[in-house]
Amino acid sequence: DAKTTQPNSMESNEEEPVHLPCNHSTISGTDYIHWYRQLPSQGPEYVIHGLTSNVNNRMASLAIAEDRKSSTLILHRATLRDAAVYYCIRVVTGNQFYFGTGTSLTVIP
Amino acid sequence: NAGVTQTPKFQVLKTGQSMTLQCAQDMNHEYMSWYRQDPGMGLRLIHYSVGAGITDQGEVPNGYNVSRSTTEDFPLRLLSAAPSQTSVYFCASSSQRRTEAFFGQGTRLTVV
Repeated sequence: DAKTTQPNSMESNEEEPVHLPCNHSTISGTDYIHWYRQLPSQGPEYVIHGLTSNVNNRMASLAIAEDRKSSTLILHRATLRDAAVYYCIRVVTGNQFYFGTGTSLTVIP
Repeated sequence: NAGVTQTPKFQVLKTGQSMTLQCAQDMNHEYMSWYRQDPGMGLRLIHYSVGAGITDQGEVPNGYNVSRSTTEDFPLRLLSAAPSQTSVYFCASSSQRRTEAFFGQGTRLTVV
């Protein structure tokens, strides 16, 4: 989705927090924001999703800007198993997923 | 619980051949969809379904057909394969609008 942009790559040291940003400046009021991650040769795996409020689960936190034009996925303590490509996704009516460009996260031991 | 199952895992086709990629889910999900992923890129929506008998086009539907005769199955048909359709194809399902989706392991298709 050309309307959802992410940095190509990011690095983090192991056990440090990671903030992965996403811009979705043309998001509509009823579109959800999802984050998935993908390991090589595997299908995407769900991480977290939200609409307007910040969200927390056992894997991560999602911070959504007040104007909803951007969001940030927060991994509180990166581990080597968190190395993956992370996709920010705009989800519209009918559960249509429009993927962003993806960020490849490298975790440094 | 198998989740979302895609078959085959790998396929090589000649230009002009037709084939069907299979997708089945055992979670009684209403929503199913097909995506393609080209090298180094994110997934793009091909077709989706909001229930048995209901399908619609996504971002890149040309060259593909779908049908949804049962809740469990959502096959993707390539009518006349072209090299531009070389890609990895993923099927996904979810239970409600805008909830977590479950993806299959993908089908790697090469058209020569």
